[in-house]
Amino acid sequence: QVQLQESGPGLVKPSETLSLTCTVSGGSISSYYWSWIRQPPGKGLEWIGYIYNSGSTNYYPSLKSRVTISLDTSNNQFSLRLSSVTAADTAVYYCARGRIYCSGGRCFLDWFDSWGQGTQVTVSS
Amino acid sequence: SYELTQPPSVSVSPGQTASITCSGDKLGDKLGDKYASWYQQKPGQSPVVVIYQDNKRPSGIPDRFSGSNSGNTATLTIRGTQAMDEADYYCQAWDSSTVLFGGGTKLTVL
Repeated sequence: QVQLQESGPGLVKPSETLSLTCTVSGGSISSYYWSWIRQPPGKGLEWIGYIYNSGSTNYYPSLKSRVTISLDTSNNQFSLRLSSVTAADTAVYYCARGRIYCSGGRCFLDWFDSWGQGTQVTVSS
Repeated sequence: SYELTQPPSVSVSPGQTASITCSGDKLGDKLGDKYASWYQQKPGQSPVVVIYQDNKRPSGIPDRFSGSNSGNTATLTIRGTQAMDEADYYCQAWDSSTVLFGGGTKLTVL
């Protein structure tokens, strides 16, 4: 049974860069879309982006200019960097494993079968 | 851009059937042509998938949970609703290289 665990600072100052790492255990980083998803206080889920084990990435359009997701296969980890943060980036951040579905030569992220427990990140001076 | 719309809240009596809808909104691009998934989230917990690919249940999910997806609407149905089913529910789909979530529905079991 795969397990995901987020780690990183719980407090980030405005205009700085948020950095989180997700450690995957009980399975290898292959053939999935490894994703970051966030949830602002009292609000719904927002997908941030994913990385595939080839290193290819895909980001939510409104965050694309500030987001970088990277992969460390030797340590079974993937990471999120979100630059120029503001209070609006305050949220619980989840890492998740996305199942891939391919049809007609095109592939997409189908559903999330495993989630981390989430980590609270607050943006404040 | 494509959006998924859910009712903010649904109430149901114990033992009755609850239905939560998820409507797609993009001219000429029906939600029924995509796969929809549903997640249950209880307070302070991570989301858990209860339905994927419109109507499939992961192992460990009770068979009182079912799903359908046709036209512009995906529906999560919970038959014989129990108190433990009280939670927030989110639909999710893929469109134009983007993962989309609905705004969530709070299910109250009265």
